[in-house]
Amino acid sequence: KQEVTQIPAALSVPEGENLVLNCSFTDSAIYNLQWFRQDPGKGLTSLLLIQSSQREQTSGRLNASLDKSSGRSTLYIAASQPGDSATYLCAPETGANNLFFGTGTRLTVIP
Amino acid sequence: DAGVIQSPRHEVTEMGQEVTLRCKPISGHNSLFWYRQTMMRGLELLIYFNNNVPIDDSGMPEDRFSAKMPNASFSTLKIQPSEPRDSAVYFCASSLWGLGETQYFGPGTRLLVL
Repeated sequence: KQEVTQIPAALSVPEGENLVLNCSFTDSAIYNLQWFRQDPGKGLTSLLLIQSSQREQTSGRLNASLDKSSGRSTLYIAASQPGDSATYLCAPETGANNLFFGTGTRLTVIP
Repeated sequence: DAGVIQSPRHEVTEMGQEVTLRCKPISGHNSLFWYRQTMMRGLELLIYFNNNVPIDDSGMPEDRFSAKMPNASFSTLKIQPSEPRDSAVYFCASSLWGLGETQYFGPGTRLLVL
């Protein structure tokens, strides 16, 4: 079974800093990987989806990279803002239509 | 578009009672997913449907859990009988064609079984 680990579990940074969230997964036979954002009391919002054939995807201040062979993905957030405060989850999709979620990184951006 | 709609938003029930959670996916989406989120296990995919047909229910924890999708605009997740360990937030999500597409999540139902 796919195991997904996200490090760090929590991160606190001052506004304006660039930061990197890490995700590692044990089964490299993935079809794609998604990064989600979860705000307290709300559902999840999909941020980026990287297909297995891609190395990275960018959306605004967010950049996600994927190294499938080593089982790693990173989410880079540039010029962080207080509104970025949330829990960030990565979810690789493996064969047999399975989506596995990490436990998330709780990000706090301090004004 | 109203997004994915879930009801109720909160549910408190007693052990042994039947619980029914409801979901309305985004119109035009062909895939619907049910997830459960707990502190201990994080977010887990329970079951998903394509064109109203259950494709993979391997994440359903036990026979007390069942899910249906009678039409393209409605799905239910039922727990009967409920147990305290079922307490969690249950999310419904939909996408255009399946897991490989961007998923849009509802606000979740927070279930507490006493």
